[in-house]
Amino acid sequence: QQQVKQSPQSLIVQKGGISIINCAYENTAFDYFPWYQQFPGKGPALLIAIRPDVSEKKEGRFTISFNKSAKQFSLHIMDSQPGDSATYFCAASKGAQKLVFGQGTRLTINP
Amino acid sequence: KAGVTQTPRYLIKTRGQQVTLSCSPISGHRSVSWYQQTPGQGLQFLFEYFSETQRNKGNFPGRFSGRQFSNSRSEMNVSTLELGDSALYLCASSLTSGRSEQFFGPGTRLTVL
Repeated sequence: QQQVKQSPQSLIVQKGGISIINCAYENTAFDYFPWYQQFPGKGPALLIAIRPDVSEKKEGRFTISFNKSAKQFSLHIMDSQPGDSATYFCAASKGAQKLVFGQGTRLTINP
Repeated sequence: KAGVTQTPRYLIKTRGQQVTLSCSPISGHRSVSWYQQTPGQGLQFLFEYFSETQRNKGNFPGRFSGRQFSNSRSEMNVSTLELGDSALYLCASSLTSGRSEQFFGPGTRLTVL
């Protein structure tokens, strides 16, 4: 019940395209869903986060869509750029601590 | 504001030794969490400290321990190192324990030979 399942494991998108990464969770007590971006040799950086009282949150080119009934949430990166090439992790927690992470998606944006 | 700092950045140890990793949170942040990152298991929560008290604990053996000082700096200790302890150890700080976002440091890369 503590798992967060993330897909796909890897994704290749052309520059200017839309990158979509999906996550599913089981624990209905989770109330905080962040996405982190990690570049090689660096720690994860908080990208955007959502709480279950909203179905969508947008920050620049990044959008989280949240479906509470399906227990799924996804990250959309619009107008994907080569600089977006990184590993993306979804996570979930109750109260924003003790994050449970997905396995990560390695995103490559081809120029 | 300076970010989360972790020292050392790299460590090489041999089996059976012990190691201490250090984390300085963002100024004003009082909660520090530790995570282990490996290619096979991904990112896994170790423990969280707030106001010098352990608030949450993950599913790791007792060889993994930590503490937090009055200035919110935290240390993590691993005793009797095993090959499988080779990982990137990440520290994350947040303003409080509870509903505050976590910000990660660059990590300490531990290699056990």
